[in-house]
Amino acid sequence: DVVMTQSPLSLPVTLGQPASISCRSSESLVYSDGNTYLNWFQQRPGQSPRRLIYKVSNRDSGVPDRFSGSGSGTDFTLQISRVEAEDLGFYYCMQGTHWPYTFGQGTKLEIK
Amino acid sequence: QVQLQESGPGLVKPSETLSLTCTVSGGSISGYYWTWIRQPPGKRLELIGFVYYTGSTTYNPSLKSRVTISVDTSKNHFSLRLSSVTAADTAVYYCARSPIFPDYWGQGTLVTVSS
Repeated sequence: DVVMTQSPLSLPVTLGQPASISCRSSESLVYSDGNTYLNWFQQRPGQSPRRLIYKVSNRDSGVPDRFSGSGSGTDFTLQISRVEAEDLGFYYCMQGTHWPYTFGQGTKLEIK
Repeated sequence: QVQLQESGPGLVKPSETLSLTCTVSGGSISGYYWTWIRQPPGKRLELIGFVYYTGSTTYNPSLKSRVTISVDTSKNHFSLRLSSVTAADTAVYYCARSPIFPDYWGQGTLVTVSS
């Protein structure tokens, strides 16, 4: 299975400051159709995961533009330009290129 | 707005079969792939498998011998059966649409395996 490794696992942040989460895959996530199926999810306490970003950098409808995704191959990043209180929770990367599709172990975004 | 809702027993005895149903509302089950995902306590999310609306299935090799996912388009729902459960199968189980990039998720249901 493709192993997805996130860092850091815990990210203390100051409100209004930027934050960045790294996700590395054990194999390239470029599919034979040329697409890279790397997604980012947010999970607030007591809620189910919510997709924020799909195919590396495509932001979902309703997701604030302070969230952005980038990367290629095996190295990906989720950036939050200015953290707000509603952003606190867990963030997961997930690859949909190689079956079985797999998730990162999660990064907890919390107040410093 | 598509909504998904899991239903089924919250407690299953070891060696028995876990059965859950995911009812889709606000949209048709036809034309899409539907998936089951679980999250054991303190562990990462795991894709169990998925079903196309035609009934075609794909399972995670780690669970393949014990999993059955089926779909009923007339009821707009799909189901999960996991046999011979152990404590390791205790998890929050989610249903979602589109296994490659899950966009709509159910609220999740905790299933505990215990005697």
